[in-house]
Amino acid sequence: DGGITQSPKYLFRKEGQNVTLSCEQNLNHDAMYWYRQDPGQGLRLIYYSQIVNDFQKGDIAEGYSVSREKKESFPLTVTSAQKNPTAFYLCASSIGQTNSPLHFGNGTRLTVT
Amino acid sequence: AQSVTQLDSHVSVSEGTPVLLRCNYSSSYSPSLFWYVQHPNKGLQLLLKYTSAATLVKGINGFEAEFKKSETSFHLTKPSAHMSDAAEYFCVVRALNAGNMLTFGGGTRLMVKP
Repeated sequence: DGGITQSPKYLFRKEGQNVTLSCEQNLNHDAMYWYRQDPGQGLRLIYYSQIVNDFQKGDIAEGYSVSREKKESFPLTVTSAQKNPTAFYLCASSIGQTNSPLHFGNGTRLTVT
Repeated sequence: AQSVTQLDSHVSVSEGTPVLLRCNYSSSYSPSLFWYVQHPNKGLQLLLKYTSAATLVKGINGFEAEFKKSETSFHLTKPSAHMSDAAEYFCVVRALNAGNMLTFGGGTRLMVKP
């Protein structure tokens, strides 16, 4: 079955450490996205990529970095510069056209202590 | 700029009664509109989408939504709630004039009482 796989489901890190969240899709989608979700809030866009080797900052990119070396993969690194990294992170992909919906992974819950 | 307002942060219904989750949007271009559902600690699942075809859109699990341009609304309804419908629901707008990016509403938590 086609879909988006995020791993791990739960991640625990000490403050000051960088951590990388994995996102892989086999839907052959061009566009991929990273969102952050905090309790009781909607989704906020961190980074997005519309094509391989290209990506753009979203609304809350500070303290995060991404790469898009392969169409299938869009890993997100949460750096030590991110002041409040504890959150639920969602990866998504889409064909990229206006009327195409996003397909979401099941998320990674990151806890930094 | 485009925006989405979900008018209720929480909605509580009894099992078997109708569900209404309200969504208003603003967009200066013909938008595409979506409703997603999220169960706890899960990703978002697409319920339905409007893309300028029929204004009444049917989705999965018995949900439907009606696009009303004059009211800039896209409310989600279901005739009879099930316990399994308890979840968070997000209304989303996407338009070319916003760089083809999606704008999410703040979400509505639906609670279903037995």
